[in-house]
Amino acid sequence: DAGVIQSPRHEVTEMGQEVTLRCKPISGHNSLFWYRQTMMRGLELLIYFNNNVPIDDSGMPEDRFSAKMPNASFSTLKIQPSEPRDSAVYFCASSTGGGGTEAFFGQGTRLTVV
Amino acid sequence: GENVEQHPSTLSVQEGDSAVIKCTYSDSASNYFPWYKQELGKGPQLIIDIRSNVGEKKDQRIAVTLNKTAKHFSLHITETQPEDSAVYFCAASRRTNAGKSTFGDGTTLTVKP
Repeated sequence: DAGVIQSPRHEVTEMGQEVTLRCKPISGHNSLFWYRQTMMRGLELLIYFNNNVPIDDSGMPEDRFSAKMPNASFSTLKIQPSEPRDSAVYFCASSTGGGGTEAFFGQGTRLTVV
Repeated sequence: GENVEQHPSTLSVQEGDSAVIKCTYSDSASNYFPWYKQELGKGPQLIIDIRSNVGEKKDQRIAVTLNKTAKHFSLHITETQPEDSAVYFCAASRRTNAGKSTFGDGTTLTVKP
């Protein structure tokens, strides 16, 4: 298995533009997580899905952020409009979803908003 | 919700020495405690985990201990090597959260050759 696949690896965009981050979880995994990592705030859970259904989006910073999981093999995190303070590394992770299970992380997308 | 605190934030040791990282958690219902290692430019990767029915677990040079009464758990790395240099995260989760974990703030470990 190729693991969790994220694209793009790097994204540079101008303030106000829409940004879409993509994630392909490991086949057979039922849970998918979006994390944001910054020096100031560490690893923050933004939202997670179980069986394609959003379970907890309390970590989504504001309405500019949205996430979807149309099927078991694909998820997107969208920021519209983007702002410089959104600059961070965004990680997608997946797990089998059972209680007490390891999360497998992708390589991350480094987003820079200028 | 769960709150995980991790100490120290940075740790520097000489090659061959031991390194210890400590975490505390707040949710007594948490029962799964993974440790992740993150190397530069990569995502966190699981290195060892422990469940609440076990007090200690060891895998070669890495060991983790858990004290459920005190709500703290620790990572021990013996005979450290330069390739152990990375950021280490502890995390805690409960059975009902479909794999969702709350992470500590991370410890940057530097092993000097």
